[in-house]
Amino acid sequence: AQSVTQLDSQVPVFEEAPVELRCNYSSSVSVYLFWYVQYPNQGLQLLLKYLSGSTLVKGINGFEAEFNKSQTSFHLRKPSVHISDTAEYFCAVSRSSGNTPLVFGKGTRLSVIA
Amino acid sequence: DAGVIQSPRHEVTEMGQEVTLRCKPISGHDYLFWYRQTMMRGLELLIYFNNNVPIDDSGMPEDRFSAKMPNASFSTLKIQPSEPRDSAVYFCASSLEPGQPQHFGDGTRLSIL
Repeated sequence: AQSVTQLDSQVPVFEEAPVELRCNYSSSVSVYLFWYVQYPNQGLQLLLKYLSGSTLVKGINGFEAEFNKSQTSFHLRKPSVHISDTAEYFCAVSRSSGNTPLVFGKGTRLSVIA
Repeated sequence: DAGVIQSPRHEVTEMGQEVTLRCKPISGHDYLFWYRQTMMRGLELLIYFNNNVPIDDSGMPEDRFSAKMPNASFSTLKIQPSEPRDSAVYFCASSLEPGQPQHFGDGTRLSIL
């Protein structure tokens, strides 16, 4: 079975500073990886996904993530955050065979400070 | 393009009452998922359907919870009788395949008094 660990439950960062949200996964088979964002009182929205190909994946709102198979990581980065990036971020994994649902991490709350 | 639509957005009711949450998935999506989100337990998968058939309901907490999908465009999650510990945000999501990106509704915030 797959599992996801988001190492930080909360990350405070100043506006215009860079940020990295960490995600590690566990799986005995090849995987797909996802990052979702949840703004207050909303559902989860897909930020980016890794299915195959280039290990550096670019998503919406200036976010990117890098798939590192040897370290079983999929960390999310943004070079300069805005107040509007304040939200909860979820990492998720699924088997690349595609026949099992996504497994979500517990989330990281990003707070951007003016 | 209409996304996943959930109703109601908010529900406040007294314990012991029956609660029905509704979901309309994205047209053409064969998979539908129900999740529960709380501060303590995070995001939990309750049950998911493929082509209207329940595939895995191992996440349903108790017999008080039941879910149905009578057709490809509608699903319900019922709690009967409801208890205060059922208070949470309930999300519905749909996807083309279970391991592919899921599209979430805006959720139903349920408060059981």
